[in-house]
Amino acid sequence: AQSVSQHNHHVILSEAASLELGCNYSYGGTVNLFWYVQYPGQHLQLLLKYFSGDPLVKGIKGFEAEFIKSKFSFNLRKPSVQWSDTAEYFCAVNQGTGRRALTFGSGTRLQVQP
Amino acid sequence: NAGVTQTPKFQVLKTGQSMTLQCAQDMNHEYMSWYRQDPGMGLRLIHYSVGAGITDQGEVPNGYNVSRSTTEDFPLRLLSAAPSQTSVYFCASRERQAVSGELFFGEGSRLTVL
Repeated sequence: AQSVSQHNHHVILSEAASLELGCNYSYGGTVNLFWYVQYPGQHLQLLLKYFSGDPLVKGIKGFEAEFIKSKFSFNLRKPSVQWSDTAEYFCAVNQGTGRRALTFGSGTRLQVQP
Repeated sequence: NAGVTQTPKFQVLKTGQSMTLQCAQDMNHEYMSWYRQDPGMGLRLIHYSVGAGITDQGEVPNGYNVSRSTTEDFPLRLLSAAPSQTSVYFCASRERQAVSGELFFGEGSRLTVL
């Protein structure tokens, strides 16, 4: 069964600092990769996704992620965070074919201090 | 469009009581699913359905029942609630044949079992 690891459980940054959140997955076949964000008290929203093509994916609000197949990684980055980026971030993976149930990582809580 | 609608948003139960969490979507999505979210564990798949009349178990199905009589609705039933079922529950849907498998989430239902 596929699994997703997010190594950073809680990250605290000051505004304007750069962000990189790690995500590694275990499945060796074709995969689709996602980052979802959950703002306090809200439901999950899609931040960005990769399913084919350019491994550098740009999402909403200045976020981007890079798919490195050889490292089974899909790290999320933002060059300059804002207080409004305070949220929980989830990496998720599904297999490119077949059942395609989405498997989530345990999440990273980002706290941005003004 | 309302998207994915969940009710109730909050519920407190006593051990042994039963209840149903409702989920409805107006996007004509064939695929619907239920996740539970627990601190430090991310989201775990409970049950899912790929169309009316078809359901299947996810990662943590014990203690939960589902049915899918229409495309729009996918209720989750707890027949005899236990404190271990205290969690936040999310319903999510997508087009069955969506290339990437992006999920659309409801706003969540917070359940406390005493």
